[in-house]
Amino acid sequence: DAGVIQSPRHEVTEMGQEVTLRCKPISGHDYLFWYRQTMMRGLELLIYFNNNVPIDDSGMPEDRFSAKMPNASFSTLKIQPSEPRDSAVYFCASSSRYRRSSNTGELFFGEGSRLTVL
Amino acid sequence: RKEVEQDPGPFNVPEGATVAFNCTYSNSASQSFFWYRQDCRKEPKLLMSVYSSGNEDGRFTAQLNRASQYISLLIRDSKLSDSATYLCVVTQPKRSSYDKVIFGPGTSLSVIP
Repeated sequence: DAGVIQSPRHEVTEMGQEVTLRCKPISGHDYLFWYRQTMMRGLELLIYFNNNVPIDDSGMPEDRFSAKMPNASFSTLKIQPSEPRDSAVYFCASSSRYRRSSNTGELFFGEGSRLTVL
Repeated sequence: RKEVEQDPGPFNVPEGATVAFNCTYSNSASQSFFWYRQDCRKEPKLLMSVYSSGNEDGRFTAQLNRASQYISLLIRDSKLSDSATYLCVVTQPKRSSYDKVIFGPGTSLSVIP
């Protein structure tokens, strides 16, 4: 079975450029999450969606970041303009059962997109 | 205070050793608890859920102490393949019906031959 698919795996760009990261969740999963991981701050939740609707975007750093989920099989995270402090690994994760209950669903992560902004 | 805190590590242990990781969380309303494992330059993967009564999965034992807001992971008979970063994960209820999932900073384990 295909897992969560992210692209690109690696991106090196210059400050000020637009960056678009892409994610295809596991088929049938109705929750999608974007995380950012750095050595200093660890794994931070940026935003998550349920049935393509953004539920909580309080983790999005600032207006330079935006995320969309136009359909159940695709999501993008965009940074415009990018800055060196945005350098990190960006993970997308999906889940099929996440609503508050005693059995919160497992998050399945993609392999991540490693972004370097020069 | 951070929402989820873990032993900073790194832990360097010989093969066959028993090692324990601790995790504390600040919100007493936290509901669900997990341990994830992350190999170097890879994505996190679920290792095990943590239940109130404690639970065991082979060489791994997880325990939860709600009164002290403390979670632990015990690894017995360490293998080289256990070398990884172990992430404590806590869910917190929000006003909506969707919990917030919070990852701890992780503890690095190196098992040495």
